[in-house]
Amino acid sequence: DTEVTQTPKHLVMGMTNKKSLKCEQHMGHRAMYWYKQKAKKPPELMFVYSYEKLSINESVPSRFSPECPNSSLLNLHLHALQPEDSALYLCASSQKGGQGDNEQFFGPGTRLTVL
Amino acid sequence: GEDVEQSLFLSVREGDSSVINCTYTDSSSTYLYWYKQEPGAGLQLLTYIFSNMDMKQDQRLTVLLNKKDKHLSLRIADTQTGDSAIYFCAESRLTGYSTLTFGKGTMLLVSP
Repeated sequence: DTEVTQTPKHLVMGMTNKKSLKCEQHMGHRAMYWYKQKAKKPPELMFVYSYEKLSINESVPSRFSPECPNSSLLNLHLHALQPEDSALYLCASSQKGGQGDNEQFFGPGTRLTVL
Repeated sequence: GEDVEQSLFLSVREGDSSVINCTYTDSSSTYLYWYKQEPGAGLQLLTYIFSNMDMKQDQRLTVLLNKKDKHLSLRIADTQTGDSAIYFCAESRLTGYSTLTFGKGTMLLVSP
């Protein structure tokens, strides 16, 4: 299995809602990532988990809360979002975090719209 | 911050070769990657090259690396309409934690 899966594919939420994005991989990868991508822009790194520990938080607002329950799963909990948070949220995984080869495999993304 | 630069748009005819260029800034980068993104989809890893290599070929794809000029290119032979997408180059930096720094992406449009 060489796939990274993400659910849901699309999500529409109001500014007072709480929702979660889910990501799963079964490649035995020990590093997982959340990216945010606005239209016609490159992905922007949000969080990195390595061996289920949060390694990098790129100064992301606290209304985004990541969670890594185990080595195969990565969640992104959303609360009190703003319309400008509407974007494609991409999950990725790589064999290991740290230095060196960082061949990342991406999921198809969740298209989030905040009303 | 240091940027990875790419031209924004390339238009070719089906059957021609496409060459997408990228310049990066960090000489300590170990791996350089090319990703493809079709509309509404995630990023697909196409190929990568280690920084001590000059060239890598993989079927229709040829990656050239000029480390002195920090220049990376992706050549797609016999370009097809299905190759129309945005292509991102990315560098994996060695300093600190290994993360990817993406260029802004090159939109490739292949016309019949």
